[in-house]
Amino acid sequence: QVQLVESGGGVVQPGRSLRLSCSVSGFTFSNFAMHWVRQAPGKGLEWVAVISYDGIHNYYADSVKGRFTISRDNSKNTLYLQMNSLRAEDTAVFFCARDHDIAAAGIGGYFDFWGQGTLVTVSS
Amino acid sequence: DIQMTQSPSSLSSSVGDRVTITCRASQSISSYLNWYQQKPGKAPKLLIYAASSLQSGVPSRFSGSGSGTDFTLTISSLQPEDFATYFCQQSYTIPRTFGQGTKVEL
Repeated sequence: QVQLVESGGGVVQPGRSLRLSCSVSGFTFSNFAMHWVRQAPGKGLEWVAVISYDGIHNYYADSVKGRFTISRDNSKNTLYLQMNSLRAEDTAVFFCARDHDIAAAGIGGYFDFWGQGTLVTVSS
Repeated sequence: DIQMTQSPSSLSSSVGDRVTITCRASQSISSYLNWYQQKPGKAPKLLIYAASSLQSGVPSRFSGSGSGTDFTLTISSLQPEDFATYFCQQSYTIPRTFGQGTKVEL
């Protein structure tokens, strides 16, 4: 069955870096675009970034542009999110999610499978 | 960016009730609207995609409608397991944006 498992969360000081991973199984990873979505404590869902099936195209929310980098290793069935210059407002549970499409910005995409999330806390 | 506005933000309901949640986009998004259910401490779950298509495995009491800027999610007969928060999300353009959520409570 389809599984997405995030890891790498934790407590980090403001200004520091953290890398999240999302290991997938149960489907052909290289056939799907992938997203990161976050949820601050008690708040709604915020889309963070997307990467195309081949890793060539990616897009970011304005709130993380220039600080976060999404990448993937299709040989390892793993999605990554490198987070630099972290701020207190980045504190959230980060979910990886599969797009049903291959394209990063394909019209009509939707998140059909999600991981369980990993908590990132930015605090001094 | 396209803003998504849900109403109400929360509602109280009972088992067996018909529940309707609305979602409005700040500009036309055709039928590129998806609905998710989230329970506390869990990941969101896809219910409806493309405004009215039921995701595999989702009970038929869930339905979606609308196009352009106005959309609805309807639960025809609320079940105990349906008490949760529901989010709409547009997939017309990047950045993908979500509504603020509607909490369905007992």
